[in-house]
Amino acid sequence: GAGVSQTPSNKVTEKGKYVELRCDPISGHTALYWYRQSLGQGPEFLIYFQGTGAADDSGLPNDRFFAVRPEGSVSTLKIQRTERGDSAVYLCASSLTGDYGYTFGSGTRLTVV
Amino acid sequence: GENVEQHPSTLSVQEGDSAVIKCTYSDSASNYFPWYKQELGKGSQLIIDIRSNVGEKKDQRIAVTLNKTAKHFSLHITETQPEDSAVYFCAPLGGGNEKLTFGTGTRLTIIP
Repeated sequence: GAGVSQTPSNKVTEKGKYVELRCDPISGHTALYWYRQSLGQGPEFLIYFQGTGAADDSGLPNDRFFAVRPEGSVSTLKIQRTERGDSAVYLCASSLTGDYGYTFGSGTRLTVV
Repeated sequence: GENVEQHPSTLSVQEGDSAVIKCTYSDSASNYFPWYKQELGKGSQLIIDIRSNVGEKKDQRIAVTLNKTAKHFSLHITETQPEDSAVYFCAPLGGGNEKLTFGTGTRLTIIP
């Protein structure tokens, strides 16, 4: 597609449930990033993929968070045993090479109740 | 890690006037300096960026200036219009880091 697509756009889940957030990057972009943005703050880095592998996962807050990109294109961010503090907008971005020209998706607003 | 500060946090300007937002960073190896615009319900949109080998870049009403010695870069918007109202983020890319570190954002309001 023309841009980065994220689904769903909104997700409401109960505390303790498992959720998956999907990111469809721009075709051909090898670099893919996940960021999390809480209200009133800038996006915080979670994880970076170069191709299929996670080149840097230092931003994942704990082991409840996991992300995959099995074929080097679509990525899924998985959150287990969700907590109310996980509520945020989760942003995905892709870049052709990873060193400039990032394009962001519209984000998934996750609300844990 | 990279420390990024943005000033001011809020800015209101009359339509037609200019707006300037400044971003300071700590990593002297940073080599890529983008500005993003975020409107309600939308993802962050890249509006202008600059590489470390140039000091200024302009695209119509928007410009970015870079001072590598002082470790800051600024967004300049001239002839502001109501549609410029948004939150703007700087996000320098650290050298060898390959991840953007975002500033805290500046809410720009254009007063008609």
